[in-house]
Amino acid sequence: GQQLNQSPQSMFIQEGEDVSMNCTSSSIFNTWLWYKQEPGEGPVLLIALYKAGELTSNGRLTAQFGITRKDSFLNISASIPSDVGIYFCAGHYGGSQGNLIFGKGTKLSVKP
Amino acid sequence: GAVVSQHPSWVICKSGTSVKIECRSLDFQATTMFWYRQFPKQSLMLMATSNEGSKATYEQGVEKDKFLINHASLTLSTLTVTSAHPEDSSFYICSARNPRGAGQPQHFGDGTRLSIL
Repeated sequence: GQQLNQSPQSMFIQEGEDVSMNCTSSSIFNTWLWYKQEPGEGPVLLIALYKAGELTSNGRLTAQFGITRKDSFLNISASIPSDVGIYFCAGHYGGSQGNLIFGKGTKLSVKP
Repeated sequence: GAVVSQHPSWVICKSGTSVKIECRSLDFQATTMFWYRQFPKQSLMLMATSNEGSKATYEQGVEKDKFLINHASLTLSTLTVTSAHPEDSSFYICSARNPRGAGQPQHFGDGTRLSIL
């Protein structure tokens, strides 16, 4: 089946640093979504992207839908301790009604 | 605020027990809801798509007689893990998508931690 390659798997950074993570696919995706999951909770939607080239911000978070429609990145600027969690990319291929495919997640740790 | 509510958040029960998990959409009517399973340190894996008024669609390898899904109303889907065994212990998460407007993203419940002794 379809797979999303998400990297890095984990990151250990100092508070205040910027963070970047990305997802790639061998297939064209129609939608890219970025979620954050904290321990014992469900994923929370951070940013949704619907058009190739689209660049969207949500506070200190910025994500882009790659021009090739096969990749997306998420940047977090000036990280703070509450940014800790697992970030998942997800996307729809074959139409927006298709199943949502998840990356394997990037675990972010922030040292105060 | 939360748009999808999941209950219970935590269940511990004996092997052989059947467990029901509820998923409710709070702000919209969801003709389709989704059930995922997540093992520790792994990503979410889709188990089945719950369709209001019709049979659920199960992913390959998911036993439909083991994981019973009922979507009797536009705001409620239930997942029943029948005769649960320790290998069924996992984190189960539901999601729903507002059908109004094209390309609405899925919103997730807070998950149910199921532990079978």
